[in-house]
Amino acid sequence: AQSVSQHNHHVILSEAASLELGCNYSYGGTVNLFWYVQYPGQHLQLLLKYFSGDPLVKGIKGFEAEFIKSKFSFNLRKPSVQWSDTAEYFCAVSRGGGADGLTFGKGTHLIIQP
Amino acid sequence: SQTIHQWPATLVQPVGSPLSLECTVEGTSNPNLYWYRQAAGRGLQLLFYSVGIGQISSEVPQNLSASRPQDRQFILSSKKLLLSDSGFYLCAWRGQPSNQPQHFGDGTRLSIL
Repeated sequence: AQSVSQHNHHVILSEAASLELGCNYSYGGTVNLFWYVQYPGQHLQLLLKYFSGDPLVKGIKGFEAEFIKSKFSFNLRKPSVQWSDTAEYFCAVSRGGGADGLTFGKGTHLIIQP
Repeated sequence: SQTIHQWPATLVQPVGSPLSLECTVEGTSNPNLYWYRQAAGRGLQLLFYSVGIGQISSEVPQNLSASRPQDRQFILSSKKLLLSDSGFYLCAWRGQPSNQPQHFGDGTRLSIL
């Protein structure tokens, strides 16, 4: 079975700082990779996804993530964070071609200080 | 556009009581449906998924069950709740093909007393 590891459980940054949240997964087959975000009081929403093709994917609100197959990683980045980026961020993986659900990491609570 | 409804938003139940959480999806046909739970300090864990009416797959052994009586309705149930069933329950749907992302409901906060 696959598993997902998010290295940082709590991250505190100042506005305009650069962000990188680590995500590693364990699964030897084809995977689909996702980052979801949950803003305070809101439901989980998709930030970006990778299925195939260019390993550098761009999502909403200036976020991007890079799939490095050799490292089983899918790290999330943003060059300059804003106070409104304060949220919980979840990395998730699903098996390529499968109907079963997502395997999530435990999440990273990101706090941006103005 | 597609929407997903989940209710109730908050539920407080005594130990040993039954449970029924409902999830419905609008604006799509034959979705894959999912139930997840997020316990305190842990990530989201897949509980059940369904690829069609009456088809339920369970990911982890537990005190809960799921049913899909209609194409766009997914129900999470228990006959007797345990303290360990407390948590945040999320319903999600996904369209076809399999590389589509999942879309989540607002969740139900379940507290067992």
